[in-house]
Amino acid sequence: SQTIHQWPATLVQPVGSPLSLECTVEGTSNPNLYWYRQAAGRGLQLLFYSVGIGQISSEVPQNLSASRPQDRQFILSSKKLLLSDSGFYLCAWSVIPRGPTLRVSGELFFGEGSRLTVL
Amino acid sequence: TQLLEQSPQFLSIQEGENLTVYCNSSSVFSSLQWYRQEPGEGPVLLVTVVTGGEVKKLKRLTFQFGDARKDSSLHITAAQPGDTGLYLCAGVPGSNYKLTFGKGTLLTVNP
Repeated sequence: SQTIHQWPATLVQPVGSPLSLECTVEGTSNPNLYWYRQAAGRGLQLLFYSVGIGQISSEVPQNLSASRPQDRQFILSSKKLLLSDSGFYLCAWSVIPRGPTLRVSGELFFGEGSRLTVL
Repeated sequence: TQLLEQSPQFLSIQEGENLTVYCNSSSVFSSLQWYRQEPGEGPVLLVTVVTGGEVKKLKRLTFQFGDARKDSSLHITAAQPGDTGLYLCAGVPGSNYKLTFGKGTLLTVNP
């Protein structure tokens, strides 16, 4: 079965410090990978997604970057954190559609989340 | 503008009551999903609906996809405290496989 893990679960960082959140997926190959941010326990904002190694698409201009050094590894980074970077960060994966007859349902499977507080 | 509008935003009810939450859009979606999220955890997929008019049941939860594939509803019968959580709908507009999320309905079921 497929599993997804992200860490650390909780992080308190000073303004201006760097950030690295890591996410790994097991039990599947060549997944789509995503980073979302959730503010105040409500809707999810898509930050980055990746359809393959080294392929990163950014949805929102911001102080963050993402990398996919391996097929099942997705990393969210920042060189200098801002107060506004605080939030709940979620990694997720989905199946890449294969073949013209496959219905694309876009189902996402999320990690446990990482709570980032920037002080 | 929010592509998916969820209502109500907050709902607090007593154990045993029935409730319905809604997910509406002016856009057509190739599919819609419902997720439930508990505090401090990632959302968990409950169901996916892909056909207009489709109805799916998951124990006490009934999900419906609108005929025009622009809206969906979630009905919970005899709510229990374990149903408490944030209910998120998410849709795939057209052929794009990136999900768009609504802001969610925060449900509290009091014992």
